[in-house]
Order: sequence, then structure tokens, then C-alpha cells
Amino acid sequence: DSGVTQTPKHLITATGQRVTLRCSPRSGDLSVYWYQQSLDQGLQFLIQYYNGEERAKGNILERFSAQQFPDLHSELNLSSLELGDSALYFCASSVFRDPGAYEQYFGPGTRLTVT
Amino acid sequence: QQQVKQSPQSLIVQKGGISIINCAYENTAFDYFPWYQQFPGKGPALLIAIRPDVSEKKEGRFTISFNKSAKQFSLHIMDSQPGDSATYFCAAIESMLSGAGSYQLTFGKGTKLSVIP
Repeated sequence: DSGVTQTPKHLITATGQRVTLRCSPRSGDLSVYWYQQSLDQGLQFLIQYYNGEERAKGNILERFSAQQFPDLHSELNLSSLELGDSALYFCASSVFRDPGAYEQYFGPGTRLTVT
Repeated sequence: QQQVKQSPQSLIVQKGGISIINCAYENTAFDYFPWYQQFPGKGPALLIAIRPDVSEKKEGRFTISFNKSAKQFSLHIMDSQPGDSATYFCAAIESMLSGAGSYQLTFGKGTKLSVIP
């Protein structure tokens, strides 16, 4: 158990809908990263938040957005869903320590199925 | 553009054998190279990692070999066991991307390892 929690575990929804995925980082970790895992694209970085502020953006679609709240939990919002958005979505957390501490701890993921 | 290329896509090894997974990268700004292990239905878990100023790192049965000039690194699993059957991902971090504090992972496509008894 990594200490990172994600809800829900599974989500089935229809095209055009909007969903929210939730992540709680490990106690004390300030950074939250979101990744998408699909069969054709592999694991891809979407976005990072650090202590409530957006820190880095990867291959995140404009239809997707995220935020990190004062209690450090994070939500990933996916809207106008398309069939191709079906994937596993992982959240990871890490604590910002001195250079060299690049460990990220992944949650169990949310499997999104768009029908 | 695939920044970290991983091979093979799948690997079948006999119990007790050596599993070898290779990765190559182009971005010379990458400065940390972790390997992740993922079991079905689980999130990736950090296995072992190496910095580019080290040529080899060993932890138990797992060894990373790193060739900075060739921009290649590999994972060796000695005495492979059925419990090692999982998908393995190499990754790279460019620690100074977007300023300090951003350690986003760039992953290879993964290698599905099956260790047969």
C-alpha cells in the first residue's frame, strides 16, 4: 500500500459527460501528479500540483482540468468525454526534499470506461 | 515523440534465469532514471533508480546498468521468480524542467515479463 488513495476505483460513463476523479496524497506529501495509462499511449504525465499551485503540465487535453485543495487532496476533472478517454488514471504523490529525492508513490488508479 | 524507448515489449524467462530489459533516451537533460514494477490492477511501484553519474546500482536481485555515452540503461533481474511476473517500466526525470520541484516521469512503453516455472 503506497499511502495514496484514489476514488472511485471504477467509473463507467457515456460520451459527452463529465467526471471527477479524486486523489489523496500520502501524509506530508505536497506534490500531486496525474498520469493517464492507455494501451496505445502507455503511461503519460498529465499535470502536477505543488501545495495548491499548478507546477507543470504535460499532455493534458483542454477538456481536462485539475486542482489541488488546501488539504492537499486533488481532483482531476474530465469533460466532454470521448471514447478515447477510456483509460486508467493514476495519481502519484511526492514530497519536495533536497535534490535526489525523486520518489513518486502511485495510487491504485481509477479505471474510466466511456461508452 | 517517444523520449524513452524500451525493449522488448514482452519477455518470457525460465525460473532462475536472468531477465534483461533495455531502455534508450535522447534527452541529455534527463538526470534520474527509475524503474517501476506494475502488477495487474495496481499502480506502478518504484523498484530501483540510478543517477547518470553512476554506472551500476544493485539492490538484491535487481541491477541497473547505465551507459551515459550511449544514452542507454538496462534492468537485470537475476534468479527470476514467478512472483517477478509483472510489467516493468523504465522512466526518466528532467529535474529542472519547469523549475525546481517538478519531477514528472517520462515512461517507456513497458515490458511484460512472464517467468515460467
